[in-house]
Parts: sequence; structure tokens; C-alpha cells
Amino acid sequence: GAGVSQSPRYKVAKRGQDVALRCDPISGHVSLFWYQQALGQGPEFLTYFQNEAQLDKSGLPSDRFFAERPEGSVSTLKIQRTQQEDSAVYLCASSLGGGDQPQHFGDGTRLSIL
Amino acid sequence: GDSVTQMEGPVTLSEEAFLTINCTYTATGYPSLFWYVQYPGEGLQLLLKATKADDKGSNKGFEATYRKETTSFHLEKGSVQVSDSAVYFCALREKSSGDKLTFGTGTRLAVRP
Repeated sequence: GAGVSQSPRYKVAKRGQDVALRCDPISGHVSLFWYQQALGQGPEFLTYFQNEAQLDKSGLPSDRFFAERPEGSVSTLKIQRTQQEDSAVYLCASSLGGGDQPQHFGDGTRLSIL
Repeated sequence: GDSVTQMEGPVTLSEEAFLTINCTYTATGYPSLFWYVQYPGEGLQLLLKATKADDKGSNKGFEATYRKETTSFHLEKGSVQVSDSAVYFCALREKSSGDKLTFGTGTRLAVRP
């Protein structure tokens, strides 16, 4: 079956531009997570949705980062006025429910800010 | 805050060698522990998990035991194969902090034929 799909796979933007990253979770998965992975590091939590409700956004590094999941399915991570330090791989994961349900990860969007 | 520390890589082994990748954690409460694996060109996938002390998670010949007294969750495999070459991430979920995962930095494993 279809896994978590992220688009675009690669994004290059100039410093100061806004970008939008899309995540299509596995159908029926209630929970959706965004992580940021810098080169040579492990993923770091950004934000979490349960259906359309954003339950935790404690990992968003600044108010330039905004995420939404308006219909409880597809999610978009938006970064405004991008900076070079935003360059990273952005991973989306979904799970059937909460707790220790396995999180299924997409292949990520590699964002490069010039 | 919560954190996970993994042994640095890369780890290079010959086929059929014994594998250990060390993982220790710091948590305020009583976390669940996970190993995720990322094969070349693929996304992260769950390898195994353990949710309470002395639990042993196992999958594909890999094992890890939740040791509360040493706050460790070391990954082991008795005989590695070339197909095990990947990056391995140890992670925890602190139950009081919701469902987010806290990851280690990852350990790259290369297995030679």
C-alpha cells in the first residue's frame, strides 16, 4: 500500500523566500508528525497533529515556521523568510494512533537555502 | 530534557560478525524505547521497540533489552549481513511529553562481504 508521501523531494530557495512543504500521510492515520534532520544528526521534533488539531508545536524553532492540517489528512509545513540555518531534511511521519504506535516516515524534503 | 546518546560511527564489520550499537538515554520519567533503521535510499522505519523495563524487543535477528538500571537499550545482532548496512537510530518517547520521539544522532553500519 501507499506510504507517507512528501513533496517536493528537493527544494532550493533563496534566503528570504517563503517555502511550503507537503505531506500526504497513510490513509486513516490519525497522528501526523514533522521532524527536522540536519546533516549527520538525528531527526528533531517540530510539531504534532491529531486529526486536524495541532497538539504540540513546542519544537518549531521560530515564528517563521507554521504547520497546518486543516482537514485532518494532508499537512503543509510553511517556512517564511527562510534563513540559511533552515537548510535540512524535513521529515513527515504518520501513525494509526498515539502512544507507542509505530511512526511511518516519508522520504523527506531536502531544503537548501542559498 | 530528554536525550539519547549513541556510539559514534561508522561501524565497519565483516559479514557474520557480531554487532553491538550502544545507546543510553536520559529521561525524567519512564520512556518507551525504539530502534529505527534507514536503509540507503529509503525512509526511516521501525526496527524494534520495548515499552517497559526488562522488555526485549526483537526483529530480523536484531535484539535490544530495556535496562532501566543502566538507562540503556543496546542493539545487538549475532551475525550481520551485507543487507544490514544502514543507519541505525535509537529513540525514546517520554510518555508525559506526548507522542513525539527524541532521536540519537544515528550510527552508520557498513558490512563487508
